[in-house]
Amino acid sequence: GAVVSQHPSWVICKSGTSVKIECRSLDFQATTMFWYRQFPKQSLMLMATSNEGSKATYEQGVEKDKFLINHASLTLSTLTVTSAHPEDSSFYICSASSGTGLIYGYTFGSGTRLTVV
Amino acid sequence: QKEVEQDPGPLSVPEGAIVSLNCTYSNSAFQYFMWYRQYSRKGPELLMYTYSSGNKEDGRFTAQVDKSSKYISLFIRDSQPSDSATYLCAMREQGGSEKLVFGKGTKLTVNP
Repeated sequence: GAVVSQHPSWVICKSGTSVKIECRSLDFQATTMFWYRQFPKQSLMLMATSNEGSKATYEQGVEKDKFLINHASLTLSTLTVTSAHPEDSSFYICSASSGTGLIYGYTFGSGTRLTVV
Repeated sequence: QKEVEQDPGPLSVPEGAIVSLNCTYSNSAFQYFMWYRQYSRKGPELLMYTYSSGNKEDGRFTAQVDKSSKYISLFIRDSQPSDSATYLCAMREQGGSEKLVFGKGTKLTVNP
């Protein structure tokens, strides 16, 4: 089955520093990747949609200069949280679609728990 | 009114019980319906996928879609403690955006 690998699974960083999260599709080419944020006991909040080789489309209210998304290849997308602050602490999850997502749904990574201190 | 409504629970049942999880939605353009299971601190895992109306069965799981009522259900038969997780419904339109719209999720606990 389709596998999406997300790293790191957890990270602690100091306020003001930047953190990069990687999302890789291991056995399929991901034409589209999605980045979500999830607060405790809340559902997934879509942050942005990225297509390989083009700029990401951000959801309303998401700061594109703070959450930098790069989708440079069909198997890798990265989310960089720049100048992180404690309020950015959250669970970040990526999801990938191969374009046959209509049939198979979307495969999620295992998530990254970010704690900013 | 939110696009997708899902009772967050929590729902607690004894082992072996039949579990019914539900979502309602308002967007009549939704054609693809999914159920995901999410364990604590993990990414969601696709359980069931249904296109348009109808039923789909996979082992102990049955997904139902009633587009006329804008209502979808997931049934779990012979529930097991390992089924304890949060269950999220998700749906999307045919064509157009690939974005999924999620329910809030229902936290289920199956007690031994």
